[in-house]
Amino acid sequence: ETGVTQSPTHLIKTRGQQVTLRCSSQSGHNTVSWYQQALGQGPQFIFQYYREEENGRGNFPPRFSGLQFPNYSSELNVNALELDDSALYLCASSLGTSPDTQYFGPGTRLTVL
Amino acid sequence: RKEVEQDPGPFNVPEGATVAFNCTYSNSASQSFFWYRQDCRKEPKLLMSVYSSGNEDGRFTAQLNRASQYISLLIRDSKLSDSATYLCVVKAAGNKLTFGGGTRVLVKP
Repeated sequence: ETGVTQSPTHLIKTRGQQVTLRCSSQSGHNTVSWYQQALGQGPQFIFQYYREEENGRGNFPPRFSGLQFPNYSSELNVNALELDDSALYLCASSLGTSPDTQYFGPGTRLTVL
Repeated sequence: RKEVEQDPGPFNVPEGATVAFNCTYSNSASQSFFWYRQDCRKEPKLLMSVYSSGNEDGRFTAQLNRASQYISLLIRDSKLSDSATYLCVVKAAGNKLTFGGGTRVLVKP
C-alpha cells in the first residue's frame, strides 16, 4: 500500500451539481497531484498543489479547482458537473514538485447522470 | 497528435512466452520515462523507470530510443499475474506526468 488515501471511493451525482473529492498524502510528502482517468484512457493531469499553492495545471476548465491544507491533504472540487466528468479521479503524492516517483491513491470513481 | 501514444492491444500472450510493445512520445524535451502497471479498477503503480542505457528488472526489460522518441517494454516468461494494462509515462521539465492510453496485456494458460 502507498499510504495515500482517497474518499469517497464511489460517488454518483447529476449534471449541474458540485462535488468535492479528498486525498490524504503519504506521510512526509508535501505535494499532491490530481489526475482524471476516463474509461479506457490513461490518466490526465489536472493540477498539482505544493505547500498550499497550485503549482501547475493541465488542460482543464476553471470549474475544476483545488485546495491543499497545512497537513498536505488536498481536495478537488468540480462545479457544474457534466456527463463527461464521469471518470476515476486519482491523487498522487510526492516529495517535492518535480519528483520521478509519485504514489497514487486508490481513486474515487465519479459517475455523473 | 497525442503527446504519448501506445497500441491499446490487447496483446494475448501464452503463459511463458515473451511479449514486447512500444510507446512513442512527441516532446523531444522529455527528460524522464517510466512504465506503470494498472490492474483493472485499481490505481497505477510504478513498474520501472527507463534509462538511456536500457535497464532490466527481473523478467522486465525497458529500452529508450531518444533519436526515434520511443520507449519499449519487454516481458519474458510471461506469468498469468502479468495480465494488466501497462502505461507509458513521460515527464518533461516540471511537475506533470503525461500518460499514454495504456497497452492491455492478457496472459493465458
